[in-house]
Amino acid sequence: ILNVEQSPQSLHVQEGDSTNFTCSFPSSNFYALHWYRWETAKSPEALFVMTLNGDEKKKGRISATLNTKEGYSYLYIKGSQPEDSATYLCAFLEYGNKLVFGAGTILRVKS
Amino acid sequence: DTGVSQNPRHKITKRGQNVTFRCDPISEHNRLYWYRQTLGQGPEFLTYFQNEAQLEKSRLLSDRFSAERPKGSFSTLEIQRTEQGDSAMYLCASSPRRAASYNEQFFGPGTRLTVL
Repeated sequence: ILNVEQSPQSLHVQEGDSTNFTCSFPSSNFYALHWYRWETAKSPEALFVMTLNGDEKKKGRISATLNTKEGYSYLYIKGSQPEDSATYLCAFLEYGNKLVFGAGTILRVKS
Repeated sequence: DTGVSQNPRHKITKRGQNVTFRCDPISEHNRLYWYRQTLGQGPEFLTYFQNEAQLEKSRLLSDRFSAERPKGSFSTLEIQRTEQGDSAMYLCASSPRRAASYNEQFFGPGTRLTVL
């Protein structure tokens, strides 16, 4: 059974703080790693699809890195804003079609 | 809006009743997925369609659950004889079939089911 783990489970930070989360996944049969942001009452929104070991992707203040050999990915948010408050999900894609999700990290940014 | 839509957004039902949810994927996306998310967990895969063909079903999908995608466009998920354990958020996602997409999926807002 594939196990994708995310830590921490939740995080409360002040506006302006930088933060990071971890996603751990199996290091064998890797095909891709997805990051999603899910705000309350909205659709999960794709942030990044990461495929190559050593990949680093950036979108505004959010960036992510990937280590497929040791089976982890980090998501970083620089200068957190209240609008960054959401659940951040990672999902592992084995060769095929099925995404296996972690339980998510809930981020709350206080102004 | 050209995103994935789901209806209804909320459904409250009594135990033992049947419920049906609808998902309209992004136009021309030939792949459609259903997931279930319960409190404290990430979305769990239920089933997957390529066009009208249901290609994979999770063991989570008991015989009380049935999904269809009759013309390869919208899909329905029906739960018969609902149980309290069926209370969850049901998410639908679609993806295009194109090379090197790494199965990027576009999600709808979900249907939240509460079984009393």
